[in-house]
Amino acid sequence: DTEVTQTPKHLVMGMTNKKSLKCEQHMGHRAMYWYKQKAKKPPELMFVYSYEKLSINESVPSRFSPECPNSSLLNLHLHALQPEDSALYLCASSQVRVVHTGELFFGEGSRLTVL
Amino acid sequence: TQLLEQSPQFLSIQEGENLTVYCNSSSVFSSLQWYRQEPGEGPVLLVTVVTGGEVKKLKRLTFQFGDARKDSSLHITAAQPGDTGLYLCAGKIANAGGTSYGKLTFGQGTILTVHP
Repeated sequence: DTEVTQTPKHLVMGMTNKKSLKCEQHMGHRAMYWYKQKAKKPPELMFVYSYEKLSINESVPSRFSPECPNSSLLNLHLHALQPEDSALYLCASSQVRVVHTGELFFGEGSRLTVL
Repeated sequence: TQLLEQSPQFLSIQEGENLTVYCNSSSVFSSLQWYRQEPGEGPVLLVTVVTGGEVKKLKRLTFQFGDARKDSSLHITAAQPGDTGLYLCAGKIANAGGTSYGKLTFGQGTILTVHP
């Protein structure tokens, strides 16, 4: 069982809808990530939060808005998405320390379909 | 430019066969991970290698990190249908600067299908 929990597992939304993806981890990790993954492709980094502050934004369109309310929670707010935004959205967490090896712990993902 | 070349991209084999997946780069990695992902699920960490020449075993899976830390391989012995999935290598480029976390470089992935 994954220790990173994502909800909802599936989401279908129209291009004018506003929805949110949620992620929760209880491993004490202080770095959290959002990745986007298309079918049979590797994950693509979107955002990184470290100590609840946004540290990396990979030039993601503003229709995706991340939020980190506390050290255990990470949200991704969605508004005015396009059909090409349909994908599996993965949340991940990791330790933050100088010798960190880069190991990521992923959630099961939220499958998003934009109609 | 793909910093981490993973091959083959597709592998379809019969149960009981052996296979090897490769990840190669011109860059030196401070660490490298292998992940396995089943359809509709998130990637699951299999192993991390950090020392050049390191070999790690996980049941029928053997992982190697190249002496120069520029390449890695995953060998599966006597593959089973339960091994089917997307295998991803990912690593942190050494001396990349900036933060000590965040950006992993992913290979393109290997889709493995093991037929009964």
